Amino acid sequence: NAGVTQTPKFQVLKTGQSMTLQCAQDMNHNSMYWYRQDPGMGLRLIYYSASEGTTDKGEVPNGYNVSRLNKREFSLRLESAAPSQTSVYFCASGGYSTDTQYFGPGTRLTVL
Amino acid sequence: AQSVAQPEDQVNVAEGNPLTVKCTYSVSGNPYLFWYVQYPNRGLQFLLKYITGDNLVKGSYGFEAEFNKSQTSFHLKKPSALVSDSALYFCAVRKGDYKLSFGAGTTVTVRA
Repeated sequence: NAGVTQTPKFQVLKTGQSMTLQCAQDMNHNSMYWYRQDPGMGLRLIYYSASEGTTDKGEVPNGYNVSRLNKREFSLRLESAAPSQTSVYFCASGGYSTDTQYFGPGTRLTVL
Repeated sequence: AQSVAQPEDQVNVAEGNPLTVKCTYSVSGNPYLFWYVQYPNRGLQFLLKYITGDNLVKGSYGFEAEFNKSQTSFHLKKPSALVSDSALYFCAVRKGDYKLSFGAGTTVTVRA
């Protein structure tokens, strides 16, 4: 039982390049989330998927797209990376309402 | 408006002394409150949550938190801190059916 896994762990991009961050969970959770963590700002929700086949915007969705590939997998895509997207990205999974969210180890992304 | 506030950026305590990390919230209705801990270069780990019932919630690693509705607070406590408790602590509140709103985080340093 690996929990929530993310790939890659580190990535350096040039401005304008694209990339996809991958996330998978093996806890049979319905909901999955993408957050970004920046110093002094806590975690901010980018997108979430309440269930397979649905996605919704969070607080900071601009510049990102997501795909809920199946119940296990939820990917985050940066179509044209910008330096402002330099951050640590966390994927999480969980359930409805009172359920706990469980986090992956994170992807540290630098955009030059 | 911020839903969760952690008024202290940093908390420093000596090993063996009590540790308190403060959190206040501002959501309508009954709040669902969470505490997470993040060790360096790791993802967030769930510590405890308050949903309903007893105002004192016990969690992992000897931590507990006290829900105070009149003061809209959910402070994290540990009676006797360890050096290994040094980490970044986040308070969060459920917003809507699926989303968590996080505080900015409090860095705890426990000195030997």
